[in-house]
Amino acid sequence: GNSVTQMEGPVTLSEEAFLTINCTYTATGYPSLFWYVQYPGEGLQLLLKATKADDKGSNKGFEATYRKETTSFHLEKGSVQVSDSAVYFCALMNFNKFYFGSGTKLNVKP
Amino acid sequence: EAQVTQNPRYLITVTGKKLTVTCSQNMNHEYMSWYRQDPGLGLRQIYYSMNVEVTDKGDVPEGYKVSRKEKRNFPLILESPSPNQTSLYFCASSLYGGQGSNQPQHFGDGTRLSIL
Repeated sequence: GNSVTQMEGPVTLSEEAFLTINCTYTATGYPSLFWYVQYPGEGLQLLLKATKADDKGSNKGFEATYRKETTSFHLEKGSVQVSDSAVYFCALMNFNKFYFGSGTKLNVKP
Repeated sequence: EAQVTQNPRYLITVTGKKLTVTCSQNMNHEYMSWYRQDPGLGLRQIYYSMNVEVTDKGDVPEGYKVSRKEKRNFPLILESPSPNQTSLYFCASSLYGGQGSNQPQHFGDGTRLSIL
C-alpha cells in the first residue's frame, strides 16, 4: 500500500539553526511527493513538490530531494526563522489519491 | 481572489442528525477532495473527485457521502453522524489530478465538527 512516515515532533530550534525533517514513504509505481505547511488556524499550503526520482523541490529556502533508492523526501533549510514555526506535512500522490504523514511541529525560538 | 470556501467553520451537533458541509472553489479546478485531520494521524483522504459526476473513495470513506453535480461545489454529507466523526475537516482543490500530477492543492480554512 501507500503510506508516509515522518519524524515525530515537536522539533525546537534556535533561529538560524539548520533544519531537517525526515520523511520516508512506501508506494507502488511512481508517486509525486510534496511538503505542505500549516500555520495555526489555517489550511495547508504547498511548500514544495517533486514528481520523479532525483528531482529537487525548493521554495523559500526549503529544499527536498526525491530519493527513490531510499524512498525518502527529507525537508531541509539552512537557517530557520521564527516565522517558520508551523506544522509540516509530507505527502504523496499516487493513482489519484493523496496520503499524508502525521505532521511535524516546528518551534523556532529567537 | 482564488479560494476554497467551506461552511460552516464550526458545528456542534448530535448523533444521528444529518449534516452537510459545503465546499466551493472559484478556480475552475477539476480535482476536489475532502480530508479529516486528527491528532497524531495527519490528514486522511475521505473522498475525491476527478471531475463533475466522477467521485471515488479515499482512505476513510465510511460514514460519508459526497456529490459533484457542478465543477465548483463538492459537499460532504454525514447522513447519520457519530461521535467518532468528530474531527477537523478540510476541502481542497487542484487544477487536475491524475498520476504524475504535481498540481498543488488549495485548501479551505477547515470545518471543526463536534458530534455529541
